[in-house]
Amino acid sequence: QQQVKQSPQSLIVQKGGISIINCAYENTAFDYFPWYQQFPGKGPALLIAIRPDVSEKKEGRFTISFNKSAKQFSLHIMDSQPGDSATYFCAASYGNSGYALNFGKGTSLLVTP
Amino acid sequence: DSGVTQTPKHLITATGQRVTLRCSPRSGDLSVYWYQQSLDQGLQFLIQYYNGEERAKGNILERFSAQQFPDLHSELNLSSLELGDSALYFCASSVDGRGEAFFGQGTRLTVV
Repeated sequence: QQQVKQSPQSLIVQKGGISIINCAYENTAFDYFPWYQQFPGKGPALLIAIRPDVSEKKEGRFTISFNKSAKQFSLHIMDSQPGDSATYFCAASYGNSGYALNFGKGTSLLVTP
Repeated sequence: DSGVTQTPKHLITATGQRVTLRCSPRSGDLSVYWYQQSLDQGLQFLIQYYNGEERAKGNILERFSAQQFPDLHSELNLSSLELGDSALYFCASSVDGRGEAFFGQGTRLTVV
């Protein structure tokens, strides 16, 4: 069963716009929430990650917002660029599972010029 | 470049055969994870090793096995291959197996 639900499946954003991808989870044991970016033919690349002791983390144009009570987290890409066009995966993990990642199904982002 | 090296990049083999995929983790990383990526199942965790010992097991078939050697490289062995095993297989490594994991470029396995 899918432990992390990701939406939307695909997203089209104009250059300069904000891309928002959402994820939800059920297992309250999860304590590490990374986002990965994957280009065709490449492996997933770690973009940004958060632990549940903070509600927001920002790195450059990428921000994770985390809502522990709602068991939801999201990725915001500010000033989206055509080079951001890729598939984005959210994931969740916890210590007793060796921090093995449970991935969402992915969001295909297209940023149009 | 993540620093994680996987070989081979592509592999084509027949049903019923056995193959070995190899992963060299980033320098200093003690933990290695194997994942399978397919269109229908997405990215699925298979197995994790930490400093030579199996630490966690996911949706890994009995026909699949893995090991991590003293030099910390890891191998994933897939046997009695079926058409449905065609997928991308990724290795990821982590310094201490406590979160931050970096993926290799993957091995694309095609079973014909």
